[in-house]
Amino acid sequence: KAGVTQTPRYLIKTRGQQVTLSCSPISGHRSVSWYQQTPGQGLQFLFEYFSETQRNKGNFPGRFSGRQFSNSRSEMNVSTLELGDSALYLCASSLGLRDWVGNEQFFGPGTRLTVL
Amino acid sequence: QKEVEQDPGPLSVPEGAIVSLNCTYSNSAFQYFMWYRQYSRKGPELLMYTYSSGNKEDGRFTAQVDKSSKYISLFIRDSQPSDSATYLCAILSDYKLSFGAGTTVTVRA
Repeated sequence: KAGVTQTPRYLIKTRGQQVTLSCSPISGHRSVSWYQQTPGQGLQFLFEYFSETQRNKGNFPGRFSGRQFSNSRSEMNVSTLELGDSALYLCASSLGLRDWVGNEQFFGPGTRLTVL
Repeated sequence: QKEVEQDPGPLSVPEGAIVSLNCTYSNSAFQYFMWYRQYSRKGPELLMYTYSSGNKEDGRFTAQVDKSSKYISLFIRDSQPSDSATYLCAILSDYKLSFGAGTTVTVRA
């Protein structure tokens, strides 16, 4: 069974640009969550999509947005990039909504974004 | 104040040593306590979870929860070089999942 895949794995952008990251969940999983991971702040929740609808949202500015397609694949977009957006962006999929211990989240390898 | 605080480390121990990892949390309503392991260039994977005070063992791993002190720990016995990774605690409450910042562990052969 294929795991969660994320593309691209590495990305370098400059300030002010925008970026789109892609996530393909495990087959049959309907929930996709996005996280930002940095050495200082650790793993921070961005948002969760389930059945093409955003169900939960973390405390990030509106520059961070996402969407989910009918096949459960998800994309995350960051506009007007800032230096502080440099991070590992992780996607996780689960059968149902993430915030229940019975729905284990499976993480992808992440996209390493560097903003220069 | 972050809802979950984790000892930052890093930790470097010789092979065979006991590794002790700790987190504290602020919300007494937290219900489930989880530990994730993250290898370099990989996403986190769930190691184990528990919901009650006390100890839970899984092979060489023991998760310990003290709800009265709002303190959780993970112990790794007979540590191996393959245990070298970043360990994250995570706590679930009221449909909200919060992670610690992670502790990087290196087990020296």
